[in-house]
Amino acid sequence: DIQMTQSPSSLSASVGDRVTITCRASQGIRNNLGWYQQKPGKAPKRLIYAASSLQSGVPSRFSGSGSGTEFSLTISSLQPEDFATYYCLQHNSFPLLTFGGGTKVEIK
Amino acid sequence: EVQLVESGGGLAQPGGSLRLSCAASGFTFHRFGMHWVRQAPGKGLEWISYISSYSTGSGTPNYADSVKGRFTISRDDAQNSLDLQMNSLRDEDTAVYYCARDQEWLPDYWGQGILVTVSS
Repeated sequence: DIQMTQSPSSLSASVGDRVTITCRASQGIRNNLGWYQQKPGKAPKRLIYAASSLQSGVPSRFSGSGSGTEFSLTISSLQPEDFATYYCLQHNSFPLLTFGGGTKVEIK
Repeated sequence: EVQLVESGGGLAQPGGSLRLSCAASGFTFHRFGMHWVRQAPGKGLEWISYISSYSTGSGTPNYADSVKGRFTISRDDAQNSLDLQMNSLRDEDTAVYYCARDQEWLPDYWGQGILVTVSS
């Protein structure tokens, strides 16, 4: 089974900061990865698919990169509405999917 | 507008059963595979099941090891609905359950979620 390790598990940042979250796969998954944002009490929202493709309607301050085993989600300038929990999701073993443990982005 | 609405959640006893449904609208349901994902209270997301479309994958079901043999996913394309039959429920099945549409091998649109509580 493919394991996904996200880091950090939480971070504190200020509005305007550049934030990077990483996800490491236990084996190579090519670019078969997505990123999701979840706010409290809400369903997840897809931000990125195929490791670096921006979902329609998602602000361009969000970007994804990586291939193989190392991936990252970057928010170029953190906005108040971006405080949330972020998850990576691998689909290299589709349809058996694996989420990372999540990264909670909090206000400093 | 794509909409997914879950129903059927609630309280069940350990060892009991519950059936969740997901009503889909705003897209051509039969063309898409569908997922169930759950989230235990205060925990992360866990993928639990997928069913392919009959047009691309013969409606093949797949399950995470944590629910295999206890949960059954099914779909009714005539009714634009997705179901999850949950048997032999355990305390650790307590979670919010989401249905989600598959696009590019990943969930894209999600329902609002439905709470299932397993407790005596």
